[in-house]
Amino acid sequence: EIVLTQSPGTLSLSSGERVTLSCRATQSVRSSSLAWYQQKPGQAPRLLIYGASSRATGIPDRFSGSGSGTDFTLTISRLEPEDSAVYYCQAYGNSPITFGQGTRLEIK
Amino acid sequence: EVQLVESGGGLVQPGRSLRLSCAASGFGFGGYAMYWVRQAPGKGLEWVSGIRWNSDTTEYADSVRGRFTISRDNAKNSLYLQMDSLRVEDTALYYCAKTGPSGHYFDYWGQGTLVTVSS
Repeated sequence: EIVLTQSPGTLSLSSGERVTLSCRATQSVRSSSLAWYQQKPGQAPRLLIYGASSRATGIPDRFSGSGSGTDFTLTISRLEPEDSAVYYCQAYGNSPITFGQGTRLEIK
Repeated sequence: EVQLVESGGGLVQPGRSLRLSCAASGFGFGGYAMYWVRQAPGKGLEWVSGIRWNSDTTEYADSVRGRFTISRDNAKNSLYLQMDSLRVEDTALYYCAKTGPSGHYFDYWGQGTLVTVSS
């Protein structure tokens, strides 16, 4: 089973800044089958990125994903206050699927 | 509009059973694998169980295998999770999630149903 480790655990940044979140897998993620989700308090997770780099419907182009093999990143180019949330990565090309532990992003 | 509406959660004693349901609408339910994902209070996301479109394959997390059973009724556009021998550590918000067109990522989620296991 793949284990996903996200870093950093928590970070606090200002609006307008750029941030890169990391997701590292213990073995290669097949076919770059890696997704990213955003979860705000009291809400269900929202799909941001699938296939490592494809944006989901309605996701602004400030969000971008990249990576392959065991190392993946989610970049938010210009932070806005509403980006304050917990971000999770998920590997789905290998069985079983698995989630990372999450990165909490606070916008100051 | 895609909608996933979970129901069946509640307070239950350890060792008892509960059955969750998820009513789906707004998409071709019978064409997609479906999953249950849970989130314990203040914790991260944990995959619980998944079922292929035609029910021929089911998967379970080690933490629930042998106690939980996933099923679906494509004619009723519904997903189910039978939870037996519940434990305190099963306490969580249980989400129903639809897989995407190109893999087992989740493009739609319900709002969740809360299961609390406590004596």
